[in-house]
Amino acid sequence: NAGVMQNPRHLVRRRGQEARLRCSPMKGHSHVYWYRQLPEEGLKFMVYLQKENIIDESGMPKERFSAEFPKEGPSILRIQQVVRGDSAAYFCASTDGEGGANVLTFGAGSRLTVL
Amino acid sequence: GQQVMQIPQYQHVQEGEDFTTYCNSSTTLSNIQWYKQRPGGHPVFLIQLVKSGEVKKQKRLTFQFGEAKKNSSLHITATQTTDVGTYFCASDSGAGSYQLTFGKGTKLSVIP
Repeated sequence: NAGVMQNPRHLVRRRGQEARLRCSPMKGHSHVYWYRQLPEEGLKFMVYLQKENIIDESGMPKERFSAEFPKEGPSILRIQQVVRGDSAAYFCASTDGEGGANVLTFGAGSRLTVL
Repeated sequence: GQQVMQIPQYQHVQEGEDFTTYCNSSTTLSNIQWYKQRPGGHPVFLIQLVKSGEVKKQKRLTFQFGEAKKNSSLHITATQTTDVGTYFCASDSGAGSYQLTFGKGTKLSVIP
């Protein structure tokens, strides 16, 4: 029973490059969240997706950031033309989306460093 | 989403001492969740409280949800070095909501 799988665990990019972070939800979960955590900070909501649908992207920066969750394959968070301020841990979480409050199961995170 | 404020931001305790972190909101919360994040790790769900005045225990951890559902607390009795980490409260906006808003967390250090 694999949990939420994220890769890469660590990613180093130079300014201006692209970063692609992948997330496979827990088996049976069809809802995916992306959160960003800056050093010594809390978790900031970025985007919520279901298969093939972006439900809420109100936490995503308007430029350079995009997310998808295709019918087949993992969810992908894409950051174009990265800047130093994008350096952070990006956590994916999944739920089954069934009634009640959303209890999140987090992946181990992808730690992006922008040089 | 809901705004939840957590205090204190940092807490250093001697091993064996108790520890409490508080989570407050200016609006009524439909529920409150608590997560723990070990240093270098990822958040792990601890518990969810839904009812007014609810109290739940997990070994040395006691979780409370206020009568007005505007505050919550996590109390650890006789801390151990394994309790080190950051404790976050989180809440959503209620029925039909899906965006979980996290507090900034309380970072606990335990001095052996």
